[in-house]
Amino acid sequence: DVKVTQSSRYLVKRTGEKVFLECVQDMDHENMFWYRQDPGLGLRLIYFSYDVKMKEKGDIPEGYSVSREKKERFSLILESASTNQTSMYLCASSGQALNTEAFFGQGTRLTVV
Amino acid sequence: AQKITQTQPGMFVQEKEAVTLDCTYDTSDPSYGLFWYKQPSSGEMIFLIYQGSYDQQNATEGRYSLNFQKARKSANLVISASQLGDSAMYFCAMRERSSARQLTFGSGTQLTVLP
Repeated sequence: DVKVTQSSRYLVKRTGEKVFLECVQDMDHENMFWYRQDPGLGLRLIYFSYDVKMKEKGDIPEGYSVSREKKERFSLILESASTNQTSMYLCASSGQALNTEAFFGQGTRLTVV
Repeated sequence: AQKITQTQPGMFVQEKEAVTLDCTYDTSDPSYGLFWYKQPSSGEMIFLIYQGSYDQQNATEGRYSLNFQKARKSANLVISASQLGDSAMYFCAMRERSSARQLTFGSGTQLTVLP
């Protein structure tokens, strides 16, 4: 059974804290993605990675950074959390072919207070 | 510019009836793929159906079919014989060959199936 696992289901952090969201996939996928999901806005791409140590900005990268030191792991970092980063964060992975679906983690509900 | 547009924030359908969820897209790449995902209240993302830009026939998967109109750049999801368990958020997404790594989503449609 294929899996994308996010380290936390719920997180509460204080403004200004450095926050790490971890994602691990067991499908040997090249591509990994971080999205945030907000009501009425759908899923917006923050960053994605197509190989180890490779990353590209998505539509809303401001305030975020990422790290991919191993193929199976993709981390999202909030350098200094702010209340407007309160959201649902979804990690996904996929192969590189055009017709390959993305597999998603269960999501992390982050609240910044 | 919005690449994927879903104009129906919410839809209602009676159980056992068919429903169409709209999706239009914008691309200049001749090679692309379109995906539909379902997200129940539990939050998991479930892949439903895929349509490639060069596919000659509309994709079908069980009760799901995709009404693909290439000239209009639309890829509407049709759910036949709706069930209560179909109540969920539905997302349309696109991947272009020119940026094959990215998967871009629309804003979603909340479908409610009424008993």
